[in-house]
Formats: sequence, structure tokens, C-alpha cells
Amino acid sequence: AQTVTQSQPEMSVQEAETVTLSCTYDTSESDYYLFWYKQPPSRQMILVIRQEAYKQQNATENRFSVNFQKAAKSFSLKISDSQLGDAAMYFCAYSINAGGTSYGKLTFGQGTILTVHP
Amino acid sequence: GAVVSQHPSRVICKSGTSVKIECRSLDFQATTMFWYRQFPKQSLMLMATSNEGSKATYEQGVEKDKFLINHASLTLSTLTVTSAHPEDSSFYICSARWGNTIYFGEGSWLTVV
Repeated sequence: AQTVTQSQPEMSVQEAETVTLSCTYDTSESDYYLFWYKQPPSRQMILVIRQEAYKQQNATENRFSVNFQKAAKSFSLKISDSQLGDAAMYFCAYSINAGGTSYGKLTFGQGTILTVHP
Repeated sequence: GAVVSQHPSRVICKSGTSVKIECRSLDFQATTMFWYRQFPKQSLMLMATSNEGSKATYEQGVEKDKFLINHASLTLSTLTVTSAHPEDSSFYICSARWGNTIYFGEGSWLTVV
């Protein structure tokens, strides 16, 4: 079974600074996707970034980037130039890419609450 | 606008009654939808995979008879919490896949009193 672990229940950062959220996972599969989701108080799930396991290049989306270490099964999220609107719960998630109905079936980490100080 | 819509967003029901939550894909046909449950300040736990035209696949530990899932059309999956009890109070959220993109509904708060 796949597992996703976020070891930081809470993190804080000053506005305009950089913060890194950690995530490790365990799987025996070779083809899978990793995700970071943001969940604000509204509880809406917002995709921050997605990484395909067979792509060695780290995904980036504007101020958000990941450090994907496949051998170490590590998938950290770096938020640069943090903004007040970045404050939320962040979830790391995993999905197998079996090409069938299994894709999209997400295993989530425990979540990290990010606080941004002005 | 929302690509996946859930209804109702909030519902309060009496203990012992049943309540239905709908998950609709608005702009695409979803043969597979997923239902998650989230307790306050906790992670999302997959409850079941909803398959159009066939029985749902439940995760270990999820009571099939309590959480009835029906995927009667390519755009609608429903979760019915039967004989609800206060411990069923939670946030329920669905998702649907279209191509390589996963869309989440807005979620539904269930309070059982």
C-alpha cells in the first residue's frame, strides 16, 4: 500500500520569504503522480503543482516549485516570495498512473498548516 | 465556474435519518468519481471509488451499508449516509477525473444532531 507522510504539522514564514514543506512517500510502483494541494479555510481543494514520476525535471508553477527525489521518495514544496494569501493547509498526495480507473485515487499526507506573518 | 459541483454544501439532519449528497461533473462525463471524508484539522481519507454503471469500490474499514454510493449516470454520483449518527458528522468531498486533471467538488458539511 502507498503511504504519504508530512512530518511538519505546522510551518510559518514571513511575508516575502521562502518556505519549504516536506513530504515523503512509499510505493513499489514506478509510474505515478505526486501532487501538492492547498486547502484554505473554505475547504476547496486547489491544485498547486503536479509531478509525473517519470519526469526527472522538477515541476514549477510561478512561485511554487518542487524538489522531487525519486530514489529517496521525497517530494518537497518550495514557496518563494510568500504572500499572505498562501496561508492555508497544504497536502501532499500520491496517485498511481495505471492508465485505468486507478488514476485520480489519491492518498494524502497528514497536511501542513502554513502561517504567513506580515 | 465549478467544474465539479456538490450539493448541498451544508446539511443538518436528525440522528437516525438518511441524507444524500450529490456530486456532479458539469462540463464532462466522469466514469469514475471518488469520495473522501475529512475530519476537522485532519487529512482527506478515501472512502470509495464510484464507477458509472457498476458497484462502488469501498476502502477497507468503510461500511458499505452505511455509506451508499450510486453512480447512475456519467455526470452524477451520490453518497447517501444511512441511519446517520453524530459520529458521521464530517466534511465530505468528491472528485472526478477528466483526462489527467482531477477536479474536486466544493465539499459538503454534514452535521448529525
